[in-house]
Amino acid sequence: EPEVTQTPSHQVTQMGQEVILRCVPISNHLYFYWYRQILGQKVEFLVSFYNNEISEKSEIFDDQFSVERPDGSNFTLKIRSTKLEDSAMYFCASSESPGRRGYTFGSGTRLTVV
Amino acid sequence: AQKVTQAQTEISVVEKEDVTLDCVYETRDTTYYLFWYKQPPSGELVFLIRRNSFDEQNEISGRYSWNFQKSTSSFNFTITASQVVDSAVYFCALSGSNTGNQFYFGTGTSLTVIP
Repeated sequence: EPEVTQTPSHQVTQMGQEVILRCVPISNHLYFYWYRQILGQKVEFLVSFYNNEISEKSEIFDDQFSVERPDGSNFTLKIRSTKLEDSAMYFCASSESPGRRGYTFGSGTRLTVV
Repeated sequence: AQKVTQAQTEISVVEKEDVTLDCVYETRDTTYYLFWYKQPPSGELVFLIRRNSFDEQNEISGRYSWNFQKSTSSFNFTITASQVVDSAVYFCALSGSNTGNQFYFGTGTSLTVIP
């Protein structure tokens, strides 16, 4: 069964450092997403991406965040200057059609900012 | 506004017992989708079911069943004859036709099945 692949599974970074989380969506999917889950809390929407541009973003997705599809297969989330409160599990997802019909999540990257 | 409430934070049952996880949602959309996801201790999100707002038929898949009632805005999930492998956090989620592609998740219910 096709999978959404996220790397790394766990990343530790120092506060103030830039971090890039990587995702390889399912190959025929056109819609891509990032979600965040702070430990023990609910999963929260960050951003959706379609046709090489952001289609929606939440209040969480401020200027510190950016997304990119650099090469037609990867989908990345960059955090420019990490803060302690950015520590969370970050999930990438993709879907063939608009996501409200459901999408496939990756297994997540656990980001720890120290 | 879209909102999903999972009032049960933690549930413990003994193996082979049945357990129902509650989900209540709020939306002004006439067309919307409801989902359940399972998050095992390993952390990934596993899709369980999707329901659209026009389909109130209950669904059964093996030991899992879902009861969708628009009259009470609820989409409850029952596990019959629970097993230790069912131990996980379960999330209910909502997506509305007027809110683009984003999902609104509940806060999750942590289920522990005791052998």
